[in-house]
Amino acid sequence: NAGVMQNPRHLVRRRGQEARLRCSPMKGHSHVYWYRQLPEEGLKFMVYLQKENIIDESGMPKERFSAEFPKEGPSILRIQQVVRGDSAAYFCASSRLAGEQETQYFGPGTRLLVL
Amino acid sequence: GESVGLHLPTLSVQEGDNSIINCAYSNSASDYFIWYKQESGKGPQFIIDIRSNMDKRQGQRVTVLLNKTVKHLSLQIAATQPGDSAVYFCAEKTQAGTALIFGKGTTLSVSS
Repeated sequence: NAGVMQNPRHLVRRRGQEARLRCSPMKGHSHVYWYRQLPEEGLKFMVYLQKENIIDESGMPKERFSAEFPKEGPSILRIQQVVRGDSAAYFCASSRLAGEQETQYFGPGTRLLVL
Repeated sequence: GESVGLHLPTLSVQEGDNSIINCAYSNSASDYFIWYKQESGKGPQFIIDIRSNMDKRQGQRVTVLLNKTVKHLSLQIAATQPGDSAVYFCAEKTQAGTALIFGKGTTLSVSS
């Protein structure tokens, strides 16, 4: 029973390059959430998506960051023109349903390092 | 504003002891709370959750207590084992929101 999968697990980029992070939700889950974790801190919400729709992007920076969850394939978090401050662990979570009391299950994360 | 915090950044216990990790939240509208365990280099792992209509919920070796009067949440781990060593986060969810709001975490260290 596969959990949430993320790839790559580690990603190194130079300043100005693009980073693409992928997330495949758990089987049967159609709701995906992206979070960012800086060292020694808790996770911070970025964006919530359902298939082909962005539902809540209130935590995502307005510039350089975008997310999608196409009808087919994984959810993608895209960071354009990366800067050193983008270095962090990015976690994806999924849930079966949407709702205030629906459990979110997390993937192993992608650790992005910007040189 | 909305915030979830933990009282202590670190907790050290001996193997076999009971551990209590505390969390305070500020949003009285929150009605769903979760404890996650995060081991080094891994994603948060769901431990146990509790709805606001409950005061206590038990799992295997873990108990979560919710005190809505003082907006306090705690995680009790019975007979703590070295494998319990990790960072523990509490998270809350508001009625209107979709996002989990995390605190900064408590690092639990278990020595043999």
